[in-house]
Amino acid sequence: KNEVEQSPQNLTAQEGEFITINCSYSVGISALHWLQQHPGGGIVSLFMLSSGKKKHGRLIATINIQEKHSSLHITASHPRDSAVYICAVDRDDKIIFGKGTRLHILP
Amino acid sequence: DGGITQSPKYLFRKEGQNVTLSCEQNLNHDAMYWYRQDPGQGLRLIYYSQIVNDFQKGDIAEGYSVSREKKESFPLTVTSAQKNPTAFYLCASSIRTYSYEQYFGPGTRLTVT
Repeated sequence: KNEVEQSPQNLTAQEGEFITINCSYSVGISALHWLQQHPGGGIVSLFMLSSGKKKHGRLIATINIQEKHSSLHITASHPRDSAVYICAVDRDDKIIFGKGTRLHILP
Repeated sequence: DGGITQSPKYLFRKEGQNVTLSCEQNLNHDAMYWYRQDPGQGLRLIYYSQIVNDFQKGDIAEGYSVSREKKESFPLTVTSAQKNPTAFYLCASSIRTYSYEQYFGPGTRLTVT
């Protein structure tokens, strides 16, 4: 079993929909990251959080340490949000990455 | 503009040849990383460096080598010993290791035939 599991693997939605991507992990962590990878391959860090909730524009990330679960929400989704969203956790001296969720927003 | 650059974007090599991928950062970060990404898999750590003249093996270091002679530069050599070198390679940096935000370069897609 992977230490970091994301769901769904693929998600297609209409523009304007509220999007939720989930991340579950099975190990103790010091922080969790949400990353965005565009079709060209470059990766951008969206959030790093260790508790509670963070918001940036239309993006919201939450984490529940007790339940070992995090969610990334996108409000008022737009085609430019189409990308792969990657969850990663800091454990000891390494980062463990999930396989990513491929999001496609239709206009 | 601060950031991380990787070159080239696409690289083609014949089997049996060593190839070096470039990674440069002007963010004044101490830590630098090399990851490999294969279809359907999460990023995997090849090597990382916490400080100049120091580097540590990651999960899949076999067939790769690195150097860290300058703070700004962390080149990765894919040697002929690497069994499946065709992949997308990403370089990243952070202020320090352990729970700091990582900044990624645009990546190099290596194809070995």
